[in-house]
Amino acid sequence: DAGVIQSPRHEVTEMGQEVTLRCKPISGHNSLFWYRQTMMRGLELLIYFNNNVPIDDSGMPEDRFSAKMPNASFSTLKIQPSEPRDSAVYFCASSLDRVDTDTQYFGPGTRLTVL
Amino acid sequence: EDQVTQSPEALRLQEGESSSLNCSYTVSGLRGLFWYRQDPGKGPEFLFTLYSAGEEKEKERLKATLTKKESFLHITAPKPEDSATYLCAVQGHGGATNKLIFGTGTLLAVQP
Repeated sequence: DAGVIQSPRHEVTEMGQEVTLRCKPISGHNSLFWYRQTMMRGLELLIYFNNNVPIDDSGMPEDRFSAKMPNASFSTLKIQPSEPRDSAVYFCASSLDRVDTDTQYFGPGTRLTVL
Repeated sequence: EDQVTQSPEALRLQEGESSSLNCSYTVSGLRGLFWYRQDPGKGPEFLFTLYSAGEEKEKERLKATLTKKESFLHITAPKPEDSATYLCAVQGHGGATNKLIFGTGTLLAVQP
């Protein structure tokens, strides 16, 4: 199994530019999560989808952030316009949401630097 | 509000020196408590899930235990390759049930 795939692994951009992060979940998983990790705040949930439908987006910091899941094998997290305070590592995770197991498996992350 | 506190923030051990990491939590009905390991530059790697007080799980030199208020990750005779950040997370029955609340982690360094 290839695991959760994220791209790009590193992204450097200038303030005001649009940034798109991509995620391919583990095949067969029906839940997908976007997290942000910083030294100050640790790992925070931004949004999660179940069966391609957004369930909880209460962690999305502001309207500059948006996420989509057009099908079961692909999701994007977009920041427009980007700001220096958005610099962080963004992780995607997926899980098979069943009564007996819903362990989240994480991708390698995208390190975003906004100058 | 669901909350997770991990201690210590950092721990330095000599190879073979056993110790424990603590995860204290408050949650509106525990659905599960998760332990992850994170190496530098990588995503968190799943270790254990505990569901009820008194439950224990083991994997190699690691053993996780759970009470109604906290969980411990015991490391027996650690090796340098056990060096990593260990993250604890809880999942509650309230609200969005798949949501994990993470602690800030314990950075473990095992010296040869």
